[in-house]
Amino acid sequence: GENVEQHPSTLSVQEGDSAVIKCTYSDSASNYFPWYKQELGKGPQLIIDIRSNVGEKKDQRIAVTLNKTAKHFSLHITETQPEDSAVYFCAASKVWRGKLVFGAGTILRVKS
Amino acid sequence: GAGVSQSPRYKVAKRGQDVALRCDPISGHVSLFWYQQALGQGPEFLTYFQNEAQLDKSGLPSDRFFAERPEGSVSTLKIQRTQQEDSAVYLCASSIPPSGTGRATEAFFGQGTRLTVV
Repeated sequence: GENVEQHPSTLSVQEGDSAVIKCTYSDSASNYFPWYKQELGKGPQLIIDIRSNVGEKKDQRIAVTLNKTAKHFSLHITETQPEDSAVYFCAASKVWRGKLVFGAGTILRVKS
Repeated sequence: GAGVSQSPRYKVAKRGQDVALRCDPISGHVSLFWYQQALGQGPEFLTYFQNEAQLDKSGLPSDRFFAERPEGSVSTLKIQRTQQEDSAVYLCASSIPPSGTGRATEAFFGQGTRLTVV
């Protein structure tokens, strides 16, 4: 079955700096890759996603890149702000099944 | 409602007790998922419904776990004879299933039910 690995497990950055979180997946049939932000006591919230026919997608300060050959994808957050502090999860799925396989999460701390 | 609603938010159960966790998906969402999230970990898939049909229950950890969605809307996850290892946050998510084009759609998560077995 699919396995998703996520690095780093914790990341501390200074406000205004960039943050990068990386994930690798094992199943070449996976073709949908969402990123979720989870704040304390809340459920995961989708922040950006990418499908396998696209190499990069950007939404304001957030961007995701996908390398299908290497089976890895990354989240980039620029100009980080204290409110970006949260746990971030990557996930992968085969779109026709819908089930998500999540990474273990990255705790992002933005220091002001 | 506007989002996925789960109840109760918190549940403390004595070991051996049965519990029932409820999920109200977003109106019109025919796909419903249950995930289990242990402390400090990512969510792990438990089961999936499309309308009232349970299409995938491969993630249920034992036969003590049972889920139903009899009318294709509200779903209940039941855990019988709870054990300490069942302590986790149980998340429900709903979405519109992929269209004929095969494009995935966003899964919306509820806030979860934190189950503590003592």
